[in-house]
Amino acid sequence: QVQLQESGPGLVKPSETLSLTCTLSGGSISGYYWSWIRQSAGKGLEWIGRIYSSGSTNYNPSLKSRVTMSVDTSKNQFSLKLSSVTAADTAVYYCARRAYFLGNWYFDLWGRGTLVTVSS
Amino acid sequence: DIVMTQTPLSSPVTLGQPASISCRSSQSLVHSDGNIYLSWLQQRPGQPPRLLIYKISNRFSGVPDRFSGSGAGTDFTLKISRVEAEDVGVYYCMQLTQFPYTFGQGTKLEIK
Repeated sequence: QVQLQESGPGLVKPSETLSLTCTLSGGSISGYYWSWIRQSAGKGLEWIGRIYSSGSTNYNPSLKSRVTMSVDTSKNQFSLKLSSVTAADTAVYYCARRAYFLGNWYFDLWGRGTLVTVSS
Repeated sequence: DIVMTQTPLSSPVTLGQPASISCRSSQSLVHSDGNIYLSWLQQRPGQPPRLLIYKISNRFSGVPDRFSGSGAGTDFTLKISRVEAEDVGVYYCMQLTQFPYTFGQGTKLEIK
């Protein structure tokens, strides 16, 4: 069964860097686009950005200056770094796969999500 | 950014009755390849979002046929023909046509 699992600190101090990793099990990370999406009470669902298995990225312009994504195909993992965090970055962070099949694009696989709280 | 606006934000429905959720985009969702990448997601309490419908009207694998999607241009609709107890949750429309991908605010489906 193909699964995604987010991991990382649940508490980050203001002005520090949030770091999360998403691990894929039961499948290969190659050939897909992998996204980070967050969900907060205030802003609902927000797409943060995506990374292809080759390492090419697209970021949400609203977060672009603070976001870095990377991928490690040998470990079947991809990662998110969000710098200079504030309380507004408190959210449940999801990783998700954007699949492509016969001309169709969709987010078919989601991790269970991890809550990150920004607080001193 | 493309703004996705859903109505209603809350929908109390009697079991066995139909439900309908609308989603309007602030601009056309037609991609340069001619397709419209509009999806519907379901989020049950305490769970991550789950794909129901992709490219306006295609049911994802394992999704019951009581769920259907329709629409064109900037107006889209998700319909549930007969609501069941397991359908309780929040429903989101999402566009994957243009960066950044954006979501509707969500519609909470609850049983009367």
